[in-house]
Amino acid sequence: SYVLTQPPSMSVAPGRTASITCGGNNIGSKSVQWYQQKPGQAPVLVVYDDRDRPSGIPERFSGSNSGNTATLTISRVEAGDEADYYCQVWDSSSDRVFGGGTKLTVL
Amino acid sequence: QVQLVESGGGLVKPGGSLRLSCAASGFTFSDYYINWIRQAPGKGLEWLSYISGDGTAIYYADSVKGRFTISRDNTKNSLYLRMNSLRAEDTAVYYCAREGRYSSSPHFDNWGQGTLVTVSS
Repeated sequence: SYVLTQPPSMSVAPGRTASITCGGNNIGSKSVQWYQQKPGQAPVLVVYDDRDRPSGIPERFSGSNSGNTATLTISRVEAGDEADYYCQVWDSSSDRVFGGGTKLTVL
Repeated sequence: QVQLVESGGGLVKPGGSLRLSCAASGFTFSDYYINWIRQAPGKGLEWLSYISGDGTAIYYADSVKGRFTISRDNTKNSLYLRMNSLRAEDTAVYYCAREGRYSSSPHFDNWGQGTLVTVSS
């Protein structure tokens, strides 16, 4: 089965940049999605196909993917960005797969 | 606007059964793959199953294969999940999620608010 590895937690000061990683074997050959989930709410898609943003998602959210690591970058972090973030891919053996999630704390 | 509303969750004993529903509105339901995804308390997201727009393509995660059955009724704009032989580890919030189209890879562009299933004696 295909495994996606995310750091369990990270913290960032307001106004700084947060980079959340998602590791997987040759993940650069796959398309990566990112979801934001705030407490008590359903997840929201923030990036798809590595770097595309759905309508309504701020430009501060961007994605990249190469080699064995995909990254979600949040620029000029705000208090409202505090949430859990999940990466997701499609794999031929495991089908739709999620990473374990990263809890982002805004200091 | 796109709306997905789950229902049918509740408390069930180990070994019991439950059927979840997901009512869709705001889009042409039959044009889209729909998925079930769950989240155990304090844990991450786990994909469970998908069904194609016409219901001919279905796939399950190994963790629920043989116990859960996904189905849909396009005349009612509804998705279902029949869950049998429930275990304590099936306790979770269950979400239905629409798959986006025109993408190189499956992704979930709209989610319901979830329904809680608790398996306990």
